[in-house]
Amino acid sequence: DAGVIQSPRHEVTEMGQEVTLRCKPISGHDYLFWYRQTMMRGLELLIYFNNNVPIDDSGMPEDRFSAKMPNASFSTLKIQPSEPRDSAVYFCASSFLAPTDTQYFGPGTRLTVL
Amino acid sequence: KQEVTQIPAALSVPEGENLVLNCSFTDSAIYNLQWFRQDPGKGLTSLLLIQSSQREQTSGRLNASLDKSSGRSTLYIAASQPGDSATYLCAVGLTSGTYKYIFGTGTRLKVLA
Repeated sequence: DAGVIQSPRHEVTEMGQEVTLRCKPISGHDYLFWYRQTMMRGLELLIYFNNNVPIDDSGMPEDRFSAKMPNASFSTLKIQPSEPRDSAVYFCASSFLAPTDTQYFGPGTRLTVL
Repeated sequence: KQEVTQIPAALSVPEGENLVLNCSFTDSAIYNLQWFRQDPGKGLTSLLLIQSSQREQTSGRLNASLDKSSGRSTLYIAASQPGDSATYLCAVGLTSGTYKYIFGTGTRLKVLA
């Protein structure tokens, strides 16, 4: 298996622009997670899905952030409009049968908002 | 609110040394605890997962212990190698409300050849 795939790996954008991050989880995994990592706050859970349904979005910072999972093999995290404070590394992860099983992380997307 | 702390934040040791990384958490009502490794510019790799009913887990040169009552976990690395250089994060699995992990801030390890 190729593991969790994320694209793009790097994104540089201007403040106010829309940003879309993409994730393909490991085939057969029921859970998908979006995390954000910054020096100040460490690794934070933004939202997670079970069988394509959002379960906990309490970590989504504000209405500018939205996430979707239209099918079992694809998810997006969208920021609109983007702000400089959104600059971070965004990770997608998946797990097999439970959210507290071993989680497998993608390589991350490094987002820079100028 | 569960808080997870890792001390020290950074550590440098000579090759071959045995070392211990520490993880503390404030609420002992956890489901499990997982140790991860993160290499620069890369995602996290799971090393060991300890269920709340277990005391320790071992994989190769790694041994993780869990003491729920005192809110502590340790990751022991035997005979350290330069390839062990990375950031190590612990994550506490919660069961209150929805299930999720709360991550510590990590220990950045450098093993000198």
